[in-house]
Amino acid sequence: AIRMTQSPSSFSASTGDRVTITCRASQGISSYLAWYQQKPGKAPKLLIYAASTLQSGVPSRFSGSGSGTDFTLTISCLQSEDFATYYCQQYYSYPSAFGPGTKVDIK
Amino acid sequence: QVQLVQSGAEVKKPGASVKVSCKASGYTFTSYGISWVRQAPGQGLEWMGWISAYNGNTNYAQKLQGRVTMTTDTSTSTAYMELRSLRSDDTAVYYCARIVMVRGHPNWFDPWGQGTLVTVSS
Repeated sequence: AIRMTQSPSSFSASTGDRVTITCRASQGISSYLAWYQQKPGKAPKLLIYAASTLQSGVPSRFSGSGSGTDFTLTISCLQSEDFATYYCQQYYSYPSAFGPGTKVDIK
Repeated sequence: QVQLVQSGAEVKKPGASVKVSCKASGYTFTSYGISWVRQAPGQGLEWMGWISAYNGNTNYAQKLQGRVTMTTDTSTSTAYMELRSLRSDDTAVYYCARIVMVRGHPNWFDPWGQGTLVTVSS
């Protein structure tokens, strides 16, 4: 089974910062990667699929890149509503798998 | 709008079974799959399995094989997840999510249900 890792596991940032989260797959997954945002007590929300395609309605400050084994999620200008936990997910092969998450909190 | 509405919270004793429902609306149910994902308190997301609403084919996480069954009722656009022989470490919020299918292959999950808390306690 493919394993997903994320770094960092958590960090503090300020409104307006540019932040980058990294996701790595244990083997190549082409561009079969999605990013989700989860706020406390809420269900995850799809942000990006196919590694770099922005889901409809998601602000353009979010972007994704990468292919193969290494991927990044970038938030160009962090807003107050972006403080949350972010998960990557591979759907290249099943069983699907999520990364352990990256928590972004307020500095 | 596309929506998945799950059944309410459950409290079960160890060894019991639980069945969670997920009612879909706003789209053609049989054109997508449904996945189930759980989240233990304070932990990350754990993929449990998925079912094709088109033909009922399933694929389960190895660690749950033999304890989990996923089904659908296309007449009511509802998916079900039953977990048997419950243990304390099955305590979690259980989510259903619609799977976008691309050329018959399950892809990303969108949207998600609101979640159902299942508590296993004696």
